Amino acid sequence: GQQLNQSPQSMFIQEGEDVSMNCTSSSIFNTWLWYKQEPGEGPVLLIALYKAGELTSNGRLTAQFGITRKDSFLNISASIPSDVGIYFCAGLLSTGKLIFGQGTTLQVKP
Amino acid sequence: DVKVTQSSRYLVKRTGEKVFLECVQDMDHENMFWYRQDPGLGLRLIYFSYDVKMKEKGDIPEGYSVSREKKERFSLILESASTNQTSMYLCASRRPGSSYNEQFFGPGTRLTVL
Repeated sequence: GQQLNQSPQSMFIQEGEDVSMNCTSSSIFNTWLWYKQEPGEGPVLLIALYKAGELTSNGRLTAQFGITRKDSFLNISASIPSDVGIYFCAGLLSTGKLIFGQGTTLQVKP
Repeated sequence: DVKVTQSSRYLVKRTGEKVFLECVQDMDHENMFWYRQDPGLGLRLIYFSYDVKMKEKGDIPEGYSVSREKKERFSLILESASTNQTSMYLCASRRPGSSYNEQFFGPGTRLTVL
């Protein structure tokens, strides 16, 4: 089936550092989504991208929809301890199904 | 404020038991989904439902069944639980055709099968 490759698998960074993670796919998606899952909770949508080349920000988060429509990037600037969690990329199919990446576990050292 | 609730946060069952995981959403969403989440594998779709009485197999339906008798409720059933079904189970709902296309997730049920 379709798969998304998300990297890195985990990151352990110092507070204040910038973070980058990305997702690649062998298939084209028309919508890319980025979710964050905090410990003990379900994933919550951070950013949705609808057009190839689109760059969207949400506070300290910036995500881009790749030109080829087969990849997406998420950047977090000036990380803080509450950024801790698992970040998932997801590609939306026309059926409404989401294909998820494996997740990037982020830990921030104060 | 949108809300998806799951009947239990933690559940411990024995091998061979029949297990019911319940999910309720209060947003009048047509689509509902069940995923399992395992480390390093992300979220994998078990079953989904486009509307009441409808169900479709996801990517890993083996060992599971579902029931959608009412629009707000989507149940996941493990007919005979096995240890390899120990996992975090997440329910989600969505309104098709909405401009945002977002799936809203419940808090998850962590199931341990002994």
